[in-house]
Amino acid sequence: EAGVAQSPRYKIIEKRQSVAFWCNPISGHATLYWYQQILGQGPKLLIQFQNNGVVDDSQLPKDRFSAERLKGVDSTLKIQPAKLEDSAVYLCASSFEVGANVLTFGAGSRLTVL
Amino acid sequence: AQTVTQSQPEMSVQEAETVTLSCTYDTSESDYYLFWYKQPPSRQMILVIRQEAYKQQNATENRFSVNFQKAAKSFSLKISDSQLGDAAMYFCAYRRGLSGNTPLVFGKGTRLSVIA
Repeated sequence: EAGVAQSPRYKIIEKRQSVAFWCNPISGHATLYWYQQILGQGPKLLIQFQNNGVVDDSQLPKDRFSAERLKGVDSTLKIQPAKLEDSAVYLCASSFEVGANVLTFGAGSRLTVL
Repeated sequence: AQTVTQSQPEMSVQEAETVTLSCTYDTSESDYYLFWYKQPPSRQMILVIRQEAYKQQNATENRFSVNFQKAAKSFSLKISDSQLGDAAMYFCAYRRGLSGNTPLVFGKGTRLSVIA
């Protein structure tokens, strides 16, 4: 079974620039999550999708962050404009809608904002 | 809101010895899951072990076992016969509910070093 794919693995940008991260979940997983992991901390949920609908985006800084999941498969997380404090690893995870409730994570995208 | 607390930022263990990582959580829910995830330098989050709150029996997975104390809201991870490959960040996580999908709430993590 293929895992959760994320790209790019690394990205370095200047503050006020924009960046986009892509996630391809495990086939058949209806639920997709984006987490932000700042160095030295545990992951924090940014947004949760169920198919192509948003379930929870209460912790997403909507003035600069946006995410979409067109067609209920791939997802893109965008930051515009980036701030220094956005430097973090962005983790994507997916799971089945019901059942085992186990999340499978991708390897993450590390963002450095200079 | 649910919170997860890991009070040990760093731990170390000698190879082949046993180590216990602590985790406490706060919730008013009666149905939930608890997890331990391992994150090596590659950043890939790997599920180590899972515990359903309604089960009294502690979960075990080979060298990994938990001590689940529901009344005390405590969920510690014991690693037996530690190996060099066990060195990583370990995150305790909580998930509300038994059906559908709810997000994981993570602790801040414990960095485990294994000494040869």
